[in-house]
Amino acid sequence: GDSVTQMEGPVTLSEEAFLTINCTYTATGYPSLFWYVQYPGEGLQLLLKATKADDKGSNKGFEATYRKETTSFHLEKGSVQVSDSAVYFCALSDRQNQGGKLIFGQGTELSVKP
Amino acid sequence: DTEVTQTPKHLVMGMTNKKSLKCEQHMGHRAMYWYKQKAKKPPELMFVYSYEKLSINESVPSRFSPECPNSSLLNLHLHALQPEDSALYLCASSHGFNQETQYFGPGTRLLVL
Repeated sequence: GDSVTQMEGPVTLSEEAFLTINCTYTATGYPSLFWYVQYPGEGLQLLLKATKADDKGSNKGFEATYRKETTSFHLEKGSVQVSDSAVYFCALSDRQNQGGKLIFGQGTELSVKP
Repeated sequence: DTEVTQTPKHLVMGMTNKKSLKCEQHMGHRAMYWYKQKAKKPPELMFVYSYEKLSINESVPSRFSPECPNSSLLNLHLHALQPEDSALYLCASSHGFNQETQYFGPGTRLLVL
């Protein structure tokens, strides 16, 4: 079945450092890909999404590009802030498999120190 | 506006209690979801309603009973829960079901004593 694999955390960075969180996926169809962020004590917020190959999603300085050839959707930010400390979930939704259910990665906890 | 609201924010209940969680959205979405999330884990899908009808039940124990009174509201009725049911319960909605973006509420943090 479809699956999502994320790099394990926790990831600890200093403020203004460059961030990459790796995400790779397995899907039999043509999935849509998502990054969700969960701040401490809150629900999930959609951070960005891409619906087809080579699409780039971007929001709040975060970017991710849908790479079909490498089945990846890595999250990047050029300069992180303390306020970016959260858990980040990569997810896919594949209409041809799983009926469109969201399949989540295990989550990557990010801690940004001043 | 992409807001999904959930009440209550926190809930403590005993194993013999009956309680309900509520979820509301006014985005005109026709699919609504209940998820359960344990600490530092991804959400686990419990139920999906599509056009106010239950379309997916992920083999959830019968002590959890969902209800969709109308297209904007989703309830989760709880009865005879176990301590291991303590978790964050998240509601989400999407325009449709297939590959649509899901928007999550803030969750209800449930503690079963």
